[in-house]
Amino acid sequence: KNQVEQSPQSLIILEGKNCTLQCNYTVSPFSNLRWYKQDTGRGPVSLTIMTFSENTKSNGRYTATLDADTKQSSLHITASQLSDSASYICVVSDNTDKLIFGTGTRLQVFP
Amino acid sequence: AAGVIQSPRHLIKEKRETATLKCYPIPRHDTVYWYQQGPGQDPQFLISFYEKMQSDKGSIPDRFSAQQFSDYHSELNMSSLELGDSALYFCASSQGRGGPLYEQYFGPGTRLTVT
Repeated sequence: KNQVEQSPQSLIILEGKNCTLQCNYTVSPFSNLRWYKQDTGRGPVSLTIMTFSENTKSNGRYTATLDADTKQSSLHITASQLSDSASYICVVSDNTDKLIFGTGTRLQVFP
Repeated sequence: AAGVIQSPRHLIKEKRETATLKCYPIPRHDTVYWYQQGPGQDPQFLISFYEKMQSDKGSIPDRFSAQQFSDYHSELNMSSLELGDSALYFCASSQGRGGPLYEQYFGPGTRLTVT
């Protein structure tokens, strides 16, 4: 069964600190992996998208890594800001139209 | 930049009623996807359309139907509503189908409440 699991489920950090979110997937065949940021009650917003040949991709303070061999990905947030408080969702595509969403990590950044 | 537009943003219906949700994709996007996100749950793929034809189908109940029109907007029709249909319904659009090059841009969602 195609699954995407994320850890931790929730995370609290202080403003200015760094953090890393983890994603493990069992999706096959694998096409690409995306990280989305979702504010409560809003649509997900794409942060990064990587194919199997890409190991790392950055978008401002967000850096995603991908290890297609171990089927693991991470999202590193540098110098966190209050506005980073949101759910971060790892999403994997299996070469069809539908995206397989992970369980999400709820990040809270406190001043 | 133009984004995906969904209407209405909020909708309250009673059990057994019908509801129609609308999605207007980003200009020049030809693919539309519908997702359902229950409270505290991951978005679940319902159905997608490419060039006005259904291209993929997920966990969409038989009570729901959808179509994409000539102007590429899409409508999700939901009949015999049940309490469990209460959720946030997202529409996403892309230029082309699937694959790493075709980013899905999500709309703000329609919150449907069934009482």
